[in-house]
Amino acid sequence: NAGVTQTPKFRVLKTGQSMTLLCAQDMNHEYMYWYRQDPGMGLRLIHYSVGEGTTAKGEVPDGYNVSRLKKQNFLLGLESAAPSQTSVYFCASRQDHEQYFGPGTRLTVT
Amino acid sequence: RKEVEQDPGPFNVPEGATVAFNCTYSNSASQSFFWYRQDCRKEPKLLMSVYSSGNEDGRFTAQLNRASQYISLLIRDSKLSDSATYLCVVLNYGGSQGNLIFGKGTKLSVKP
Repeated sequence: NAGVTQTPKFRVLKTGQSMTLLCAQDMNHEYMYWYRQDPGMGLRLIHYSVGEGTTAKGEVPDGYNVSRLKKQNFLLGLESAAPSQTSVYFCASRQDHEQYFGPGTRLTVT
Repeated sequence: RKEVEQDPGPFNVPEGATVAFNCTYSNSASQSFFWYRQDCRKEPKLLMSVYSSGNEDGRFTAQLNRASQYISLLIRDSKLSDSATYLCVVLNYGGSQGNLIFGKGTKLSVKP
């Protein structure tokens, strides 16, 4: 039981490049989330999903897209990366009360 | 007003000290409350749930005051390993599709 995993762990992008962050969970959770965390800003919700095939916008969705084609996977896409998207990205899944986080992806956009 | 507010700290305390963190929330309909812990450069993890009657887990005690919309966490006999950021978290059922709302966290540093 791996819990929540994220790929990749680190990435450096140039401005304008695109990439996809992958989140996978093996706990059969319905809810999945993508957050970004920046110094002094706390966790900010980007997008979330309440089940397979559904997605919704969170607090800071601009510049990101998501897909949840399979229940266990939640993908976060950056179509044209900007330096303001330099951050640590956390994926999480939840069933009932406890939310489980992945180890994070450290993304730098130069 | 932010949904969940915490003093960012840092709280710098010696080993063995007792330290308390407070948190306020703005949505009076909030139904579930938690404390999460986040170590430096790591993901947040659930520390404990907070129940209306108050609850204790070893050296940690959590309290909820619904009338004042206030949550607290008390750590007794602090250890070096308690150094981390503590996140106050509120779950609003039926609101934003049951999302957890995270405070920005309170940083604790326990010194020898």
